[in-house]
Amino acid sequence: SAVISQKPSRDICQRGTSLTIQCQVDSQVTMMFWYRQQPGQSLTLIATANQGSEATYESGFVIDKFPISRPNLTFSTLTVSNMSPEDSSIYLCSVDLAGETSSYNEQFFGPGTRLTVL
Amino acid sequence: GEDVEQSLFLSVREGDSSVINCTYTDSSSTYLYWYKQEPGAGLQLLTYIFSNMDMKQDQRLTVLLNKKDKHLSLRIADTQTGDSAIYFCAEKDTGRRALTFGSGTRLQVQP
Repeated sequence: SAVISQKPSRDICQRGTSLTIQCQVDSQVTMMFWYRQQPGQSLTLIATANQGSEATYESGFVIDKFPISRPNLTFSTLTVSNMSPEDSSIYLCSVDLAGETSSYNEQFFGPGTRLTVL
Repeated sequence: GEDVEQSLFLSVREGDSSVINCTYTDSSSTYLYWYKQEPGAGLQLLTYIFSNMDMKQDQRLTVLLNKKDKHLSLRIADTQTGDSAIYFCAEKDTGRRALTFGSGTRLQVQP
């Protein structure tokens, strides 16, 4: 399994500002993902973050709005830029362990960052 | 594109079995997952099944997969009040490795 931590756990921000969310994993993983869960909704993939390459964004998400860093195999950041109230969501990082230290195909999620934009 | 659908709500009495259903459209799905989300909490991986399997059992949980109909179900035996949560099914396709989630089923367990 993998233990994933996120910082901050929650924040209240003013519109127009930016927030950087950190995701730390207790083991080295190749593939990390960032998801968004809007209030009362399911999870939507924002981007895939592989170490050593540019993040790959899903339709509807752009790098200028959600820049991602992946400096090493245990850490990633997601920035929510120029925030508006529509960005109020839970942001979750996850890791896929397939092909890592075992043959398992488990995907684990961090506890999430609950963002409220006023 | 991929699409995963679930019914929104299920109510059962404590001690009964719960069956949560899910349908998906992507025929290249390799793994299918069930996650549990309690209020204010993150996602807990409950179980997953490889697409060439029909059934997987893990203690009180039984996963059934009908690949022909692209139908997945999660059965919780002897449902307890602590099982009250939102349950998400998700599928992973061959190349992408990211998950596509269903809308979630809110399970309410009545004492």
